[in-house]
Amino acid sequence: DQQVKQNSPSLSVQEGRISILNCDYTNSMFDYFLWYKKYPAEGPTFLISISSIKDKNEDGRFTVFLNKSAKHLSLHIVPSQPGDSAVYFCAASGGAGGTSYGKLTFGQGTILTVHP
Amino acid sequence: GAVVSQHPSRVICKSGTSVKIECRSLDFQATTMFWYRQFPKQSLMLMATSNEGSKATYEQGVEKDKFLINHASLTLSTLTVTSAHPEDSSFYICSGTRRGHEQYFGPGTRLTVT
Repeated sequence: DQQVKQNSPSLSVQEGRISILNCDYTNSMFDYFLWYKKYPAEGPTFLISISSIKDKNEDGRFTVFLNKSAKHLSLHIVPSQPGDSAVYFCAASGGAGGTSYGKLTFGQGTILTVHP
Repeated sequence: GAVVSQHPSRVICKSGTSVKIECRSLDFQATTMFWYRQFPKQSLMLMATSNEGSKATYEQGVEKDKFLINHASLTLSTLTVTSAHPEDSSFYICSGTRRGHEQYFGPGTRLTVT
């Protein structure tokens, strides 16, 4: 039962353009969402997060959008740079008092390649 | 801030032996630490959650007698893979959290069991 899904295994984008990575979830108890960047043979690096009380959070070139009714979130990277090439994981966590509080459920990841 | 280290980064061991992996939070006190494993081209799968001074909570399907977790202090957790077999070969990653939901991950340990 995949509660967090990233349906696009890979995405290829030209340098300077926008990268849009998508993520869907099924568990309505999730109330906090995070994006991580990962290189092979390394641990994930935290990028940006969003609480379910918001629909947008921005940090520099990275913006995360949350559509709770659709149980969908997306990460926008503008402008994309070759150094952004990596695997991007979305993750979700539950609210306080729930069994998934503090635990992260990860999607399968999307390989982003930014071409110069 | 929020740096997590793991040691060793790579280990090769023979089938039947035990291997210990250390996870340290270097610049913060991790109230909770998590252990994950990742198979090639797959997502990170949570194995267990550990809080300092208490027993770890294992996810369904994870053998607690095989994967021993000790969280001795707010900056150190260890994972011991006992009687390792080739199917235990994987990439093991730990994370720590100081507050809230953000987890900060270590660089991972590549375990190969021959």
